[in-house]
Amino acid sequence: NAGVTQTPKFQVLKTGQSMTLQCAQDMNHEYMSWYRQDPGMGLRLIHYSVGAGITDQGEVPNGYNVSRSTTEDFPLRLLSAAPSQTSVYFCASRRTGLGYGYTFGSGTRLTVV
Amino acid sequence: LAKTTQPISMDSYEGQEVNITCSHNNIATNDYITWYQQFPSQGPRFIIQGYKTKVTNEVASLFIPADRKSSTLSLPRVSLSDTAVYYCLVGDIRGQFYFGTGTSLTVIP
Repeated sequence: NAGVTQTPKFQVLKTGQSMTLQCAQDMNHEYMSWYRQDPGMGLRLIHYSVGAGITDQGEVPNGYNVSRSTTEDFPLRLLSAAPSQTSVYFCASRRTGLGYGYTFGSGTRLTVV
Repeated sequence: LAKTTQPISMDSYEGQEVNITCSHNNIATNDYITWYQQFPSQGPRFIIQGYKTKVTNEVASLFIPADRKSSTLSLPRVSLSDTAVYYCLVGDIRGQFYFGTGTSLTVIP
């Protein structure tokens, strides 16, 4: 199994540009989430989904959109990139039930100049 | 949303047992406690999850007292490779878990 796959691994954007961070999982997990991690900080929840067609906002949703058209994919869209969005972005998925934690992808390191 | 408080950092010698305590005074009835480990430049890795009393797996033990206002992650006989940041999360497993600032554990030879 590939687990959670994120692309790209690195990206540099100019202020005002838009882009989509891709996330795919092959474990048939119901739950998927996007987190961002700034240097020396913990992870902050951006958006999450409890199943295909269902998404909701986390702690820091402004400037980001998500959709969940399939169980496997959960892309994160940056609408108009700002330097404050420079961060490492992690996608994660988990199955429902007790004892199952999130499986995280390897992250996308995004720099907005 | 239950907030968690952990020590910012801890040091331990190789081979010792390490206990990291997390405080979550306003934990709700439906909340579970989950611990993750994160190495630099990697995503967090799930360690253990529990609701009350004690949970043990091949990696760690989780101790939760009856009032559930705190929890302790126990790592037996740590090695240098256990140097990482450890996060305590509290949340409803039907909902979302929010990360705190974590505890940076340094294992000393």
